[in-house]
This record gives sequence, C-alpha cells and structure tokens, in this order.
Amino acid sequence: NAGVTQTPKFQVLKTGQSMTLQCAQDMNHEYMSWYRQDPGMGLRLIHYSVGAGITDQGEVPNGYNVSRSTTEDFPLRLLSAAPSQTSVYFCASSYGGVGGANVLTFGAGSRLTVL
Amino acid sequence: AQSVTQLDSHVSVSEGTPVLLRCNYSSSYSPSLFWYVQHPNKGLQLLLKYTSAATLVKGINGFEAEFKKSETSFHLTKPSAHMSDAAEYFCVVITYRNNNDMRFGAGTRLTVKP
Repeated sequence: NAGVTQTPKFQVLKTGQSMTLQCAQDMNHEYMSWYRQDPGMGLRLIHYSVGAGITDQGEVPNGYNVSRSTTEDFPLRLLSAAPSQTSVYFCASSYGGVGGANVLTFGAGSRLTVL
Repeated sequence: AQSVTQLDSHVSVSEGTPVLLRCNYSSSYSPSLFWYVQHPNKGLQLLLKYTSAATLVKGINGFEAEFKKSETSFHLTKPSAHMSDAAEYFCVVITYRNNNDMRFGAGTRLTVKP
C-alpha cells in the first residue's frame, strides 16, 4: 500500500548511543518532515525537506541531523541520544509542502526511549 | 509569531450528543488552519482545513469547523458523537510567511461514553 513507512516502530537506547530513524514514502512527494510528539505539547517540527538535497530546521532541531539524498527517503539521525529525546517520532510527506491544497500523509510513528 | 491554543485537554461526551473542541490561534499573517485526528497508536489524519475560502469548513466523518477572524478561533464541531470518534484531535496553524512551518496545538482527547 502506498504511504509513509517508518522503522523501527520501537527502540530503546542508552544515553550517548546513536541511531537512525528511517522514513520512506512511495508517493513521489517532494516535501518530507519529522515531528516529535510529547505529552501535552502536540507535535513539534524537527526538520523538513522540500526536495532531494534540500533540508531545513524546524522548531526543535538540536540533537538531530537529517539528509535527503533521494526523493523517497528522509532519515533522522540522533548523534548522541539523551533522555530528553524520549518521544514518539512521526514522519510526514506531501506533494508540495503544507500550504494551500497540500495534505500531509503521516507514518505510524516510532516510539523511542532513551535510558 | 504564530501559535495555537486548544482550550481543553480532555472532552468527554455521550454517544449521540454534540461535540465541541475549541481552538484559538494567534498569527501576524493570514493563517491556514487545520484539524487533524489521531486514533490510538496511529499516525495523524487530516479532518479538515481552512485556507481563506469559505469560513465554514466541512470535513470527513461529519465534522466541521468555523473560522472566526474577530475571535481568532477555529472550533471543531459535530452534531452527534459516535463511539468511533474517540481519539486525540489537534488544531494546527501555518502562515504564508513561512509556508512549511506547521504549529500544532497540545491536543484534545475526546472520550465518547456509550
């Protein structure tokens, strides 16, 4: 089925470890983004990309890196995990951004726990 | 700066009664406003959106919302709640100044009692 696929669904890390959350979409969407969801805070934008080779920071980018080498993939890297990064992470994509007629398609989420 | 405030963290209604989820926004520019729904352990799904056309917006599953500029509000309503409406609802704002920066409210959890 077409959509946004996130892996892994669950991950437990120790403080200081690094890892990558994978996000792939097969809808040929130019825009992709990463959010984190914390209780009582809604979703906050970490990084986004408007096309291959183009990335930009969102509201809470510190501690995270992204790259966009292909249209389909937008991995999120945690370089040195901290307990404050315990959260549920969502990847989303759309054809042309978030304004106008564009609609975001969300992945099912990745739950990360940092001990 | 733009922001969204959802006035209730939790709303509980009985099946068949009306639903009202409240959202106020602040924005220095003409906003686009959205409501998303998240069912347990799922990603988010768009319910409806306002993008400067008609102020009363109809969405999926019988939901609608009215944009009121004078009150800076975008409340979500449904005439009759169904058990399947139980979920978390997020009000979202973007402005055309930064067209790719969506700001989410903290969410309202809707409980529907039989």
